[in-house]
Amino acid sequence: GESVGLHLPTLSVQEGDNSIINCAYSNSASDYFIWYKQESGKGPQFIIDIRSNMDKRQGQRVTVLLNKTVKHLSLQIAATQPGDSAVYFCAENIAYGGSQGNLIFGKGTKLSVKP
Amino acid sequence: NAGVTQTPKFQVLKTGQSMTLQCAQDMNHEYMSWYRQDPGMGLRLIHYSVGAGITDQGEVPNGYNVSRSTTEDFPLRLLSAAPSQTSVYFCASSYSGYSPLHFGNGTRLTVT
Repeated sequence: GESVGLHLPTLSVQEGDNSIINCAYSNSASDYFIWYKQESGKGPQFIIDIRSNMDKRQGQRVTVLLNKTVKHLSLQIAATQPGDSAVYFCAENIAYGGSQGNLIFGKGTKLSVKP
Repeated sequence: NAGVTQTPKFQVLKTGQSMTLQCAQDMNHEYMSWYRQDPGMGLRLIHYSVGAGITDQGEVPNGYNVSRSTTEDFPLRLLSAAPSQTSVYFCASSYSGYSPLHFGNGTRLTVT
C-alpha cells in the first residue's frame, strides 16, 4: 500500500554542519506535508509545514523542500546543534471525498549531533 | 496555556482489563485525534474527530472506542486490553486537517 517513508533511518552529523533528512512519499494526492521533531519521552513537536502548491519554505534554521515530480520531501537544518538531536518524522495529509484529511506519518529518522 | 494534556502518563493493565485514556485541549481546536507509536512503526492513526459529536476510524481502530461530547475532551477507551495494545499513545489536536497537529506528551501503556 502507499505509505510515507524515509531513505535513512539514522543520521549522524558534526555540530555546526548542515543536516539533510529525506522523506519519500508515494501518494500523489497528498497536498500538505509537515515535519515533526520528537525528543525522548515527549510528543512530536511541529517544525515546519508546506502545501503542495509550494516547492520550498523556510523557517528559522530549517528549510523544507518539496519535489512533487519524484514525490520527495526533505528537511534541511542549518548549523546543526546538539539540541537538534532527536527523531524527525515527515507526515502527509491525504484528503478524500472533500474531507479535511488526516496526517499519515513516516517511520522517522534519528539525528545524532556529535560535539 | 496547557495545550494538550494526557493522563495518565504510565499505565499497566492485565489482559482483559478495560481503561480510559484521557485527553483534553484548551486551544478550542475542532479536530482531535489519537495515535499509537510502536518501535519502527512511526505513528498510526487510531480514531479522530472533526468536532463535538463526530468521530471516525483511522488506520488501526480495532479494540478502541472514542466519543467526543465536548470540544475540549476526547477520551480513548480500551474495551478489553490485549498485549498487542502495549504502546505509547498520543493525543493531538489542530484547527483543521490542514494545520499542524499539537501533541500531548503521551501515555505509555503496558498490557501483561
